[in-house]
Amino acid sequence: GDSVTQMEGPVTLSEEAFLTINCTYTATGYPSLFWYVQYPGEGLQLLLKATKADDKGSNKGFEATYRKETTSFHLEKGSVQVSDSAVYFCALRRGSTLGRLYFGRGTQLTVWP
Amino acid sequence: DAGVIQSPRHEVTEMGQEVTLRCKPISGHNSLFWYRQTMMRGLELLIYFNNNVPIDDSGMPEDRFSAKMPNASFSTLKIQPSEPRDSAVYFCASSDRRRGLAGTYEQYFGPGTRLTVT
Repeated sequence: GDSVTQMEGPVTLSEEAFLTINCTYTATGYPSLFWYVQYPGEGLQLLLKATKADDKGSNKGFEATYRKETTSFHLEKGSVQVSDSAVYFCALRRGSTLGRLYFGRGTQLTVWP
Repeated sequence: DAGVIQSPRHEVTEMGQEVTLRCKPISGHNSLFWYRQTMMRGLELLIYFNNNVPIDDSGMPEDRFSAKMPNASFSTLKIQPSEPRDSAVYFCASSDRRRGLAGTYEQYFGPGTRLTVT
């Protein structure tokens, strides 16, 4: 079945460090891929998305490229800030599932000043 | 735009009591999702509706859980009787299948209801 696997956390970085959170997926066909972010005490918010192979999603300095050959959608940011501290979720959606998303377990990121 | 509204934000109840969580999706959205988030199991999809009709309830843990969507602007998730293992944050999310880029159907999450069953 469809599933998403993302790297175990927590991830702890100093401000301005480079961030990578790995995400790989299993799905039939050509799913759409997403990264959601959850700040403390809040619901999830869409961070970025990609709908086809080789697409790059980007937002707020974060980027992720849809790699079909490696079934991956790794999240990267060149210079993290304290305000980026949150839980990040990778997710996929197949076209036939009426909008249902399959989420990874989430990765906690803490950025220290 | 009001966003997805959930109530209550916090609920503390005793084991055996009935709990009802409420959700108002974004106006015009036609898909609604209920999730449960715990440290042990992460984010789990419990049930989702499309045009007020339940599409997949395979994530509902057991018969103690039930969900309804009587109209396009309101949904409830009921637990009866509640148990301590039901303690979690419950999220409601909505999306609009008719708009946006094909294949995206972004889900908008509410702030969640933190349920504690003692």
